[in-house]
Amino acid sequence: NAGVTQTPKFQVLKTGQSMTLQCAQDMNHNSMYWYRQDPGMGLRLIYYSASEGTTDKGEVPNGYNVSRLNKREFSLRLESAAPSQTSVYFCASSRVDTSSYNEQFFGPGTRLTVL
Amino acid sequence: DQQVKQNSPSLSVQEGRISILNCDYTNSMFDYFLWYKKYPAEGPTFLISISSIKDKNEDGRFTVFLNKSAKHLSLHIVPSQPGDSAVYFCAAGFGGSNYKLTFGKGTLLTVNP
Repeated sequence: NAGVTQTPKFQVLKTGQSMTLQCAQDMNHNSMYWYRQDPGMGLRLIYYSASEGTTDKGEVPNGYNVSRLNKREFSLRLESAAPSQTSVYFCASSRVDTSSYNEQFFGPGTRLTVL
Repeated sequence: DQQVKQNSPSLSVQEGRISILNCDYTNSMFDYFLWYKKYPAEGPTFLISISSIKDKNEDGRFTVFLNKSAKHLSLHIVPSQPGDSAVYFCAAGFGGSNYKLTFGKGTLLTVNP
């Protein structure tokens, strides 16, 4: 059981370049999330997918797009990278069950630098 | 509007002593709370949680206390160990079909040998 996996681990982009961050989970979870972590800012939600086929904006969605490819995979795309998007990106997943609490499981992160 | 606040950016304690990490929240509709631990260059890992119907939850060296009237929760680590040195995030959520968690900014705990 790999849990939540993310690729790549590191990436350096030039301003204006595009890229896609990949995330996959093998826990059969319904919901998936993308966060960014910046110094002193904690974890901020970019987008989430409550279930396969749905996506919604989080707290900081500008400059990003997402695709829930299937139940396992949730990708984050930067169409035109900006230096303000330099951050560590975390993908997470959770089981949504009305009788339980939605603990989220995190991947190891992608460290992105935009020059 | 920051709904979950961790007002101490850092905390330093001696090995063997108690570590107390604090968290305040503003939304009285939150009905469960979680603590995550994060080492450098790794993703956050779940540590312990508590629902709003309880005031205490214990798991080994870790205990979370919830004071709903004060909108305050705390994580106690006893005894603290050097391996506990990490950033600790407090998070809050709504049960049922609401999927999102709101995270605090984190507290860096350093346990000195």
